[in-house]
Amino acid sequence: AQTVTQSQPEMSVQEAETVTLSCTYDTSESDYYLFWYKQPPSRQMILVIRQEAYKQQNATENRFSVNFQKAAKSFSLKISDSQLGDAAMYFCAYRSALGGGSEKLVFGKGTKLTVNP
Amino acid sequence: EPEVTQTPSHQVTQMGQEVILRCVPISNHLYFYWYRQILGQKVEFLVSFYNNEISEKSEIFDDQFSVERPDGSNFTLKIRSTKLEDSAMYFCASSNQRGQGALNTEAFFGQGTRLTVV
Repeated sequence: AQTVTQSQPEMSVQEAETVTLSCTYDTSESDYYLFWYKQPPSRQMILVIRQEAYKQQNATENRFSVNFQKAAKSFSLKISDSQLGDAAMYFCAYRSALGGGSEKLVFGKGTKLTVNP
Repeated sequence: EPEVTQTPSHQVTQMGQEVILRCVPISNHLYFYWYRQILGQKVEFLVSFYNNEISEKSEIFDDQFSVERPDGSNFTLKIRSTKLEDSAMYFCASSNQRGQGALNTEAFFGQGTRLTVV
């Protein structure tokens, strides 16, 4: 079974600075997807960024980018120019690409990000 | 922008009572999911549903749980006899395609239903 590990329960960053959230995962599959979800105090899950495992190029979405290291099974999220609205829980998630029913997202325990003004 | 809608936002129920949590997935989506998040813990998969049947379920999803798509728009999660440990945030999600292409497999989440069992 796949597992996702987020080793940083909490992180803090100064407004306008850059912060990196870590995520590692374990799988025997070669094709899969990785996601970062944001959960603000409202508790809704919002997709931040996604990465397909077969793509070598790291995904970027405005101020959010990932460092995907497939061999190391590492998928970190970098937030540049941090804003107060970035404060939230961030969850790393894995999804198999095999199909046939294995569509569920496997989440890490989350990292609580605080942005200081 | 289309969104997944869940009702109610908060439900309080007595232990042993039945509850039904409701979700309206995005209209052209075909794959539906329920997840649970106990306060302060990670989000856990409960069940996935496609073509009017369960495609996968977790160990959490025991005989006390059931899902249904009673019409063309709603997707419900029923807990037959609630326990204190069922208190959690329940998220519904939907996606429009399985398999290849992350863009097509993105799961859109609803805002959640907070279930409190007393």
